[in-house]
Amino acid sequence: DAGVIQSPRHEVTEMGQEVTLRCKPISGHNSLFWYRQTMMRGLELLIYFNNNVPIDDSGMPEDRFSAKMPNASFSTLKIQPSEPRDSAVYFCASSFNTDTQYFGPGTRLTVL
Amino acid sequence: AQTVTQSQPEMSVQEAETVTLSCTYDTSENNYYLFWYKQPPSRQMILVIRQEAYKQQNATENRFSVNFQKAAKSFSLKISDSQLGDTAMYFCAFMRRSNYQLIWGAGTKLIIKP
Repeated sequence: DAGVIQSPRHEVTEMGQEVTLRCKPISGHNSLFWYRQTMMRGLELLIYFNNNVPIDDSGMPEDRFSAKMPNASFSTLKIQPSEPRDSAVYFCASSFNTDTQYFGPGTRLTVL
Repeated sequence: AQTVTQSQPEMSVQEAETVTLSCTYDTSENNYYLFWYKQPPSRQMILVIRQEAYKQQNATENRFSVNFQKAAKSFSLKISDSQLGDTAMYFCAFMRRSNYQLIWGAGTKLIIKP
């Protein structure tokens, strides 16, 4: 079975540009999570969707960040405009309800 | 509030040895999950093992096993016959049942030496 799929795996962009990260959860999972990992702050939960509905977005750093889940098999995390401090590894994870979370390979974002 | 503590920032052992990583947690909940995830240099976060708090039996997955002491709030990971590919950061995590928030430990960097 395919795991969580994320794209791109690496993204290098310049400050001010729009960045879109994509995620395909495991088939049959109805919960999706976006995390950010940095050396300074560790792993932070940005947003949690259940049945395609955002349940908790309290971890989204500011209005420059937005996330959508138009259907059960696809989600995006958008940063507009991007800033150097957004450089991090972004993970998508999925689960069935509040059971075990399975993580994707991550997207390493570098904002110059 | 729940907290997870990993007291060993870094450990190193020789290949084929057995190593135990420590994790303690603090909670007033009775119904929860505990997890060990590994993060190798590739940065992918990989589930190693999961324990449900209501189960007395310690979880095992091939060379990986846990020692779950509910009363002591301890959840250690034992890796038997360690391999070079086990080199990674290992994170202990706690989650209340019917909740979605993973509470993470700071991680233990494990190095397997040839």
